[in-house]
Amino acid sequence: SQQGEEDPQALSIQEGENATMNCSYKTSINNLQWYRQNSGRGLVHLILIRSNEREKHSGRLRVTLDTSKKSSSLLITASRAADTASYFCATDSVNYGQNFVFGPGTRLSVLP
Amino acid sequence: NAGVTQTPKFQVLKTGQSMTLQCAQDMNHEYMSWYRQDPGMGLRLIHYSVGAGITDQGEVPNGYNVSRSTTEDFPLRLLSAAPSQTSVYFCASSYSIRGAMNTEAFFGQGTRLTVV
Repeated sequence: SQQGEEDPQALSIQEGENATMNCSYKTSINNLQWYRQNSGRGLVHLILIRSNEREKHSGRLRVTLDTSKKSSSLLITASRAADTASYFCATDSVNYGQNFVFGPGTRLSVLP
Repeated sequence: NAGVTQTPKFQVLKTGQSMTLQCAQDMNHEYMSWYRQDPGMGLRLIHYSVGAGITDQGEVPNGYNVSRSTTEDFPLRLLSAAPSQTSVYFCASSYSIRGAMNTEAFFGQGTRLTVV
């Protein structure tokens, strides 16, 4: 069973708007990561947030983590057509040697 | 650096055939993993390795074997291909900090496998 679940499953916005994706998970974690996948390609790491951190920024990305609610959010500000991709959250799993367990992803479409 | 290299990129197998998906990384990472990606399912962990000579099962290991004789290579073997193994397969590597694997994963470009 997957550790993380992203919400929404799909999101369509206009260029320049902000996009927010959420991730919920089930068990305690050491860290949570967000990845991007362009169509037909491998996943690319975006940002890692540790369990003792509440917010992290990287360029136009802002990630928050609420361990009490077992949830995280990824905000992409001033979106561009090039941000069109699937976004996945991943958490470390004690069941698999701290390996990463991924959610089903959010498909983001940014319309020009 | 090439990063994580997977071969082949595409493969069609007949039911019952066996094959090996290759994965190599040149970053000297201790950790390597295999995932499969199916529509609407995200990535599911098949097998993983925490170092040469050490492998373990992930979430969906049945029908697959792995070995890790060197740090660089982590091949995935399909013993007797079934249509249910039609999927996109990704290999990933990562490194540890202070003995804990809590760092980013580097992914290959994937192998698209179809079993007919």
